[in-house]
Amino acid sequence: QVQLQESGPRLVKPSQTLSLTCTVSGGSISSKTYYWNWIRQHPGKGLEWIGFIYYSGSTYYNPSLKSRVTMSVDTSKNQFSLRLSSLTAADTAVYFCARDLAGGLLTTFDIWGQGTMVTVSS
Amino acid sequence: SYELTQPPSVSVSPGQTARIACSGDKLGDRFATWYQQRSGQSPVLVIYQSNKRPSGIPERFSGSSSGNTATLTISGTQAMDEADYYCQAWDTNTVLFGGGTTLTVL
Repeated sequence: QVQLQESGPRLVKPSQTLSLTCTVSGGSISSKTYYWNWIRQHPGKGLEWIGFIYYSGSTYYNPSLKSRVTMSVDTSKNQFSLRLSSLTAADTAVYFCARDLAGGLLTTFDIWGQGTMVTVSS
Repeated sequence: SYELTQPPSVSVSPGQTARIACSGDKLGDRFATWYQQRSGQSPVLVIYQSNKRPSGIPERFSGSSSGNTATLTISGTQAMDEADYYCQAWDTNTVLFGGGTTLTVL
């Protein structure tokens, strides 16, 4: 079955840029059905949607983070990536990648990665 | 801006029915999705499109929606259902999550 796995640094300095990658296994990221998302969870808090990328490279970001977010997709490696710039301590969180079945009103995250804890600290 | 509101906590005795509400303006006109997150784990989809249950999710999980409220119902609650539950919906330009409800099975 399809699995998602996040990878990237666990510790990043303030003002730097975070780069995370999600590797999709057991299925193709090039499927026209799905949207590939990043979601984060601050320690002890709820979930916050960051944005999605489609296999074609089309993106849609949370307006509250849009100025600092860039997503990309590498279909040859079956991976998609997140870059979050100008980091502060408020970006310390567990970052999940997740598959969305439909997008828009029908947004449904049916598969999640295990999550990776990122700490922003000098 | 649109918000989804959940009670911080709900308690239920084993075998009883737990109901977790999620409120938002005209939420019944949208699709509500529900996720279960056990301690230290990733969220798991339990209800989508307000009342559909994915394969592999026990029948004791059900969802409904009307007016400004979507409700996740767990019938015959078991100890393994103790977790945080999040509702989610789409609003103009963004995906929203409720603040989460901690279900305690006493």
